[in-house]
Amino acid sequence: EAQVTQNPRYLITVTGKKLTVTCSQNMNHEYMSWYRQDPGLGLRQIYYSMNVEVTDKGDVPEGYKVSRKEKRNFPLILESPSPNQTSLYFCASSSQGSNSPLHFGNGTRLTVT
Amino acid sequence: AQSVTQLDSHVSVSEGTPVLLRCNYSSSYSPSLFWYVQHPNKGLQLLLKYTSAATLVKGINGFEAEFKKSETSFHLTKPSAHMSDAAEYFCVVSERYSSASKIIFGSGTRLSIRP
Repeated sequence: EAQVTQNPRYLITVTGKKLTVTCSQNMNHEYMSWYRQDPGLGLRQIYYSMNVEVTDKGDVPEGYKVSRKEKRNFPLILESPSPNQTSLYFCASSSQGSNSPLHFGNGTRLTVT
Repeated sequence: AQSVTQLDSHVSVSEGTPVLLRCNYSSSYSPSLFWYVQHPNKGLQLLLKYTSAATLVKGINGFEAEFKKSETSFHLTKPSAHMSDAAEYFCVVSERYSSASKIIFGSGTRLSIRP
């Protein structure tokens, strides 16, 4: 089954403790991206990757890192999480081209205390 | 600059009546436009997309949207609402090139269905 898999689904952590949210897709998509969803703000793009070893900042990259060493994986790293990073995070992938729809994971709800 | 405005944060309709969710956009180029739906505790699912072919686009679950360039609008409609349509809906503008990407989400419209 074609899918985007995020882990974990829920994560509670404390300020400053490094964490990684994994994302994997099995559709051989070149494009992958991370979003955060906050009430009233829709989804905002954190980082995206057009292909392996190519990453770029989205609209809200501060406090986040990503890497794209393999085509299928695109982990999101919070080196020193803070409470304002408490949010619902989504990973998505698609083929290249502006008319290619995004395929989303089921989300990761992160709470930073 | 790109932007997407969903004109209503919440829409409530009775079951069996028409649904209208409004979306206006701005884009420097000819964008691709999408509507996604998000049911509670789920990821986003594609409803339909416009990619410069027919201006009236049909999607899943009886939804359709009409691209009106003169009004820079891409409103989502459904003739008869069903209880299962209750969800959050997002209008999205996408511009992607060989070396860059810009995907903008609207702030979402929560659709409630009254029995």
